[in-house]
Amino acid sequence: AQSVSQHNHHVILSEAASLELGCNYSYGGTVNLFWYVQYPGQHLQLLLKYFSGDPLVKGIKGFEAEFIKSKFSFNLRKPSVQWSDTAEYFCAVTDSNYQLIWGAGTKLIIKP
Amino acid sequence: ETGVTQTPRHLVMGMTNKKSLKCEQHLGHNAMYWYKQSAKKPLELMFVYNFKEQTENNSVPSRFSPECPNSSHLFLHLHTLQPEDSALYLCASSQEPRGGDNEQFFGPGTRLTVL
Repeated sequence: AQSVSQHNHHVILSEAASLELGCNYSYGGTVNLFWYVQYPGQHLQLLLKYFSGDPLVKGIKGFEAEFIKSKFSFNLRKPSVQWSDTAEYFCAVTDSNYQLIWGAGTKLIIKP
Repeated sequence: ETGVTQTPRHLVMGMTNKKSLKCEQHLGHNAMYWYKQSAKKPLELMFVYNFKEQTENNSVPSRFSPECPNSSHLFLHLHTLQPEDSALYLCASSQEPRGGDNEQFFGPGTRLTVL
């Protein structure tokens, strides 16, 4: 069965630092990949998604993610974080029934 | 109102109570979902409805009972819950998942506390 691993439960960075959040999945077939974000007190919203094509995907608010099929990875990156990026970030991958399988999330705290 | 709405936003209930959570989507989607979100755990998919038909039931205890009267509305009926059922319950909707784009849109959730 598909599973998703997010390597860090908590990440603390200073403003302007670069960010990379890890996401690995287990099932090696055709997958769709997502990163969602949950800002404090707000609902989950999509940051970016990958279905096919260019493995480097650009999303909202300057985020991007790279799909590396050989590593079963879909890491999220941002070159320079801002205080407003403080949130919880979730990676999700489709299973063979097209349902989303979720990672446990990474809480990102940006120090001003 | 646009997007996915959920009511109530907060609910406190005793173990012998019966209550219902409501979800409504205004996006014209065909699939709706209930998830349970607990701290430090992945989102747990509870139920999926596709064109009003239940297509997934991930071994959810019978004290949770879903209802989908039409493709815009989804309910979760609760009875004789346990304290460990306290969590954030999220509703989501999407186009028909097998159509390729199964991006899901989420409501704000209902924070449930079982005493």
